[in-house]
Amino acid sequence: GQSLEQPSEVTAVEGAIVQINCTYQTSGFYGLSWYQQHDGGAPTFLSYNGLDGLEETGRFSSFLSRSDSYGYLLLQELQMKDSASYFCAVRDQRSGNRDDKIIFGKGTRLHILP
Amino acid sequence: DAGVTQSPTHLIKTRGQQVTLRCSPKSGHDTVSWYQQALGQGPQFIFQYYEEEERQRGNFPDRFSGHQFPNYSSELNVNALLLGDSALYLCASSLGVAVGANVLTFGAGSRLTVL
Repeated sequence: GQSLEQPSEVTAVEGAIVQINCTYQTSGFYGLSWYQQHDGGAPTFLSYNGLDGLEETGRFSSFLSRSDSYGYLLLQELQMKDSASYFCAVRDQRSGNRDDKIIFGKGTRLHILP
Repeated sequence: DAGVTQSPTHLIKTRGQQVTLRCSPKSGHDTVSWYQQALGQGPQFIFQYYEEEERQRGNFPDRFSGHQFPNYSSELNVNALLLGDSALYLCASSLGVAVGANVLTFGAGSRLTVL
């Protein structure tokens, strides 16, 4: 089966660093993505890791370890506007199926304290 | 550059009715995926359309059906509505279905309430 596990909630202080972890189990795997969703808004793409290692985009970084089926999103210099839900997502492909789909975790609600 | 547009933004239906939701993908995108998002949950994959065909389907009953038009826009139809169908329905577009198509662009969603 397919599953992604991430913490339901994380709380951090403005200006600090926070890490949101994600473990996954899929029949096929072609990369881990992260999306941000503010209340009432649409999910927006943050980052993608296709290979092991760290990808950095401004204040956000994402890490992947395919051997551990694990990744994380790192947010630095937290700002109040970073209060949102964060979803990890994997591209999953079934054997013999010509196409694939992106499935999402249940999301981590990030609370930022002033 | 227009992003993904969905309509209607909100709608209320009663049990047993049918609903049609519409989506126009981002300019240049040719693939549309539909997701259902319950309150406080992650998006659940319903199905994906490419070249006017349903390419992938999640664990949703046949009451959920869709269509893609030659201009890449798409519709999601839900028949015999149940209370549990109340959710935010998200349309996401992307370019192609190959492994390299990893970025989804989402619309703001259609909020469906079933009474």
